[in-house]
Amino acid sequence: KNQVEQSPQSLIILEGKNCTLQCNYTVSPFSNLRWYKQDTGRGPVSLTIMTFSENTKSNGRYTATLDADTKQSSLHITASQLSDSASYICVVSARSGYSTLTFGKGTMLLVSP
Amino acid sequence: SQTIHQWPATLVQPVGSPLSLECTVEGTSNPNLYWYRQAAGRGLQLLFYSVGIGQISSEVPQNLSASRPQDRQFILSSKKLLLSDSGFYLCAWSITAGGVNEQFFGPGTRLTVL
Repeated sequence: KNQVEQSPQSLIILEGKNCTLQCNYTVSPFSNLRWYKQDTGRGPVSLTIMTFSENTKSNGRYTATLDADTKQSSLHITASQLSDSASYICVVSARSGYSTLTFGKGTMLLVSP
Repeated sequence: SQTIHQWPATLVQPVGSPLSLECTVEGTSNPNLYWYRQAAGRGLQLLFYSVGIGQISSEVPQNLSASRPQDRQFILSSKKLLLSDSGFYLCAWSITAGGVNEQFFGPGTRLTVL
């Protein structure tokens, strides 16, 4: 069964600090891995998408890494801002079809002033 | 540029009442369209997807149904709502670029069934 596990479930950090969110998956055959940011009460917004051949991708202060061998990904946030407070969702796509996204439950990040 | 709209933004309905949520996409043609539900503390669950007008695939058996009367319109319906239908409903559209099927989500509809 395809699964995506994220940790921690929630996290509180001080403004300006860095943090790293984790994602482990058991999706096969693997196609790509995405990180989304979802503000409370809003739809998810894509941060990064990585395919099998990519092991790192950056989007501003967000840097995602992918280890396809260990089936792990991380999202590193640098110099956090209050606006980074949101749920971060890891999504893994299998290599076929339209309905093959497996969603993690998300990590709820709160950046405190 | 492409935009996706959902309405209403919030909805409170009694048990047993009907439901109709609407999603429209602008700025693209023949998109793949999706309906997801996000329950509290759980990941997104795919309910329906559509690859074209009148073509609907159901992922989870339930009392909900979907229709695509126009290319860029996707509707989620129910004849009789259950308490368990409460949740955050998200519509999404996708394109395939470079072998990657990237999805873009709408703003969502918060449904509370009382």
